[in-house]
Order: sequence, then structure tokens, then C-alpha cells
Amino acid sequence: AAGVIQSPRHLIKEKRETATLKCYPIPRHDTVYWYQQGPGQDPQFLISFYEKMQSDKGSIPDRFSAQQFSDYHSELNMSSLELGDSALYFCASSFGVTNSPLHFGNGTRLTVT
Amino acid sequence: DAKTTQPPSMDCAEGRAANLPCNHSTISGNEYVYWYRQIHSQGPQYIIHGLKNNETNEMASLIITEDRKSSTLILPHATLRDTAVYYCIVRVAGLNSGYALNFGKGTSLLVTP
Repeated sequence: AAGVIQSPRHLIKEKRETATLKCYPIPRHDTVYWYQQGPGQDPQFLISFYEKMQSDKGSIPDRFSAQQFSDYHSELNMSSLELGDSALYFCASSFGVTNSPLHFGNGTRLTVT
Repeated sequence: DAKTTQPPSMDCAEGRAANLPCNHSTISGNEYVYWYRQIHSQGPQYIIHGLKNNETNEMASLIITEDRKSSTLILPHATLRDTAVYYCIVRVAGLNSGYALNFGKGTSLLVTP
């Protein structure tokens, strides 16, 4: 079965640079979620979109923004990168019913040097 | 969302049943119980979820107490590949999708030969 696709798998950036992470949800899924997982930490929710509108917001820094496009894929844009942004970034998708489970991709590992 | 409490770690012998408890004493009537697991640095994997009835699928069984204040995830015949961090998460079911799944500390399950 098709899964959530994230690209790139690995990304290395320098401080103060920008990064864009992409997420392609499971076909027919209309909701996407972004999570950040620092070393030794549990996944932390950043933001979600349902039908291209922001649905819920977590601890997303102001330097980060995200959007969902008409084909339901999503991009997480990160500016003025800091060393502390080094983490695994997971995208998840779900089908737009109230108790539909989230299905996660395998993440993008961002390293900021 | 209601908070959950899980033991930080558990051991289980290969081939035996693994019973992972979760306390969610402040759960509300419209909140579901979800179980996910994360194998080192991979994306969290959906296992099972339920509202008030016991649930079973090909991976596990979910037993929810009648007062809904606690639940148990049962892996009937644990294998070495079941070694992972298991997260019990309570999530509100809204009218629209996109409500966050908030990860807590989870239980680190070690399956031994």
C-alpha cells in the first residue's frame, strides 16, 4: 500500500540558511500533520492542515511556516535556521473523518551546522 | 486532550504476550485512545485505536476498562521486532479532521530472546 512520502530524507544546512521539506500524503488523504523530534525526544506536533486550511497549531516557531497545496501535498519552510533545529521532521496524513488514524512517513533528518 | 501515564520501560520474553498499560483517568467522552509505536528513528507506526469497546486487529488487541480511565495494549506473541517505544495517546474527535496527536513519554518495550 502507498505510504506517506517525505523528501529529502537527509538535509544538511548551515546556520541562518533556509530549508524546505516536502510531504506527499497517502492518496485520498486530505489532512497533513508536521512533527519535530529532537535527539532523545518524543515527537512534538508543529502544525496541521485539513483541506488546505490550517487546522491545528502546536509549538511551531515563528521562523517556520507551512502550507498545503491543491494536490494535498504539503511543504514546511524553515528560515534563519538554528543549531537547535537539527531534528527528525515527520509528516503524517489522514483521511478527513473525525477518528481517522494518522499514518507517518519515515521523516527528513535535518542537520544544521 | 487528556494526559496519559505509562510505565517508562517494560521487558517481555519472545513468544509471550506483552501487556502494556496506560492510565488516562481524565479522558472525556469524545476522546479516543490511540496506540502507536516507534522503532528507533523510524516514523511512528499506527497500531490500533478505540473509543469504549475492546478492539482487535492483526497487530494487537486494545482493552479499555468500562470507566474508560485506563487501557491495555496486548501484543499476543511478542517478537524481537516488537522492540520499540509504545505511545498511548488520547485524542479528541472533532467535527473536522486535523486535530493533533500529542505524544507523551511512552513505554520502551524490550523483547528478549
